[in-house]
Amino acid sequence: GQNIDQPTEMTATEGAIVQINCTYQTSGFNGLFWYQQHAGEAPTFLSYNVLDGLEEKGRFSSFLSRSKGYSYLLLKELQMKDSASYLCARRDNYGQNFVFGPGTRLSVLP
Amino acid sequence: EAQVTQNPRYLITVTGKKLTVTCSQNMNHEYMSWYRQDPGLGLRQIYYSMNVEVTDKGDVPEGYKVSRKEKRNFPLILESPSPNQTSLYFCASSYAGVGSGLDEQFFGPGTRLTVL
Repeated sequence: GQNIDQPTEMTATEGAIVQINCTYQTSGFNGLFWYQQHAGEAPTFLSYNVLDGLEEKGRFSSFLSRSKGYSYLLLKELQMKDSASYLCARRDNYGQNFVFGPGTRLSVLP
Repeated sequence: EAQVTQNPRYLITVTGKKLTVTCSQNMNHEYMSWYRQDPGLGLRQIYYSMNVEVTDKGDVPEGYKVSRKEKRNFPLILESPSPNQTSLYFCASSYAGVGSGLDEQFFGPGTRLTVL
């Protein structure tokens, strides 16, 4: 299988930092994506990693370790509007087959 | 405005009555894909297409058909819908093809389908 694991739910406080982890099967790997999805809406793209290391984009950063099959999304200076589900997705090496994790629902509290 | 559109947005139907959900993008993207989203299971890929007349099965293709006769359109067809196909469906498109790097997918607004 191509299981992707993420925590189901997380809670954090406004202004804090939160890290959402994602683990995936390494064989045939060709890129790791993070999407944000607010309730009742479509997913929107946040970040992409294909090489090891950290990619920073404003308040959001994403890290990848290919040998460990591990990624995380780091959200800094949390705002109420960051309350959403965060989806980790793996792209297959042989085409454009994407496998999404179940998503992590983040609640940001005042 | 660059976008992916889906129709209908909501549909209630009965078992066995053929239906089509349309998907269209105006960004000249080569790649298009259909997903279904169910609670606790996340997004699961049904079919995808890397270009006109090129389609491939995703992880959950059973009970679905697709076609890609034009670059901009990628309809999802349920020949004989069943209650287990009740779900939220998303169409997505992206510019890049096989071997490309960043391949950000743009998602349509979703179609909520109920099969009674």
